[in-house]
Amino acid sequence: QVQVQESGPGLVHPSETLSLTCNVAGGSISESQFWGWIRQPPGGGLEWIASIYSGGNKFYHPSVKGRATISQDRSKNQISLRLTSLTASDTAIYFCAGSWMNWFAPWGHGTRVTVS
Amino acid sequence: EIVLTQSPDTLSLSPGERATLSCRASQSVDNYLAWFRQRPGQPPSLLVYDTSKRATGVPARFAGSGSGTDYTLTITNLEPEDSAIYYCQQRNLWPRTFGQGTRVEVK
Repeated sequence: QVQVQESGPGLVHPSETLSLTCNVAGGSISESQFWGWIRQPPGGGLEWIASIYSGGNKFYHPSVKGRATISQDRSKNQISLRLTSLTASDTAIYFCAGSWMNWFAPWGHGTRVTVS
Repeated sequence: EIVLTQSPDTLSLSPGERATLSCRASQSVDNYLAWFRQRPGQPPSLLVYDTSKRATGVPARFAGSGSGTDYTLTITNLEPEDSAIYYCQQRNLWPRTFGQGTRVEVK
């Protein structure tokens, strides 16, 4: 059973850079066709941010393109997200998810990020 | 960007009843549509994918259908544990998009 665990700084200041890590246990990140980051603002819905495929292809939501970088480290079995020039609108719970049958599964429990 | 519009926003039903959730896309998603359930304080979990296929362990009470731009998730014989927010998501085009969610209350 693959387990996904996100980690991050919790509180970041406006204009700073956010670095999030997704640790995967119980399986190799290479076993998933892709990994993604999805965020959920307080009381809001889900917004896909970025995906990285096992072959290295990366895709970003237009709202964060140019500010976001998704990467994978097979030696650490980790997926990372870097988001620059933060504003209050980046405040959200950030979820990491693997892929199953080309859909987001399983999901981690998320890490809460507040920009203030 | 494909916009997914879910209706209704909220559904309040009693145990044993049937819930019908709708997801309408701004253009065809070619059956590349999934449904997720998010219980309070929990991450979303995949329920139905590719319009009508149930994910592992999902009971037959959950049924997906649809085509083109219109999709439906039907939950029969509602149980209190079905209380959650349900989201649809498409993977036909980039960027991947989610609907705004339908809150289902069972009491």
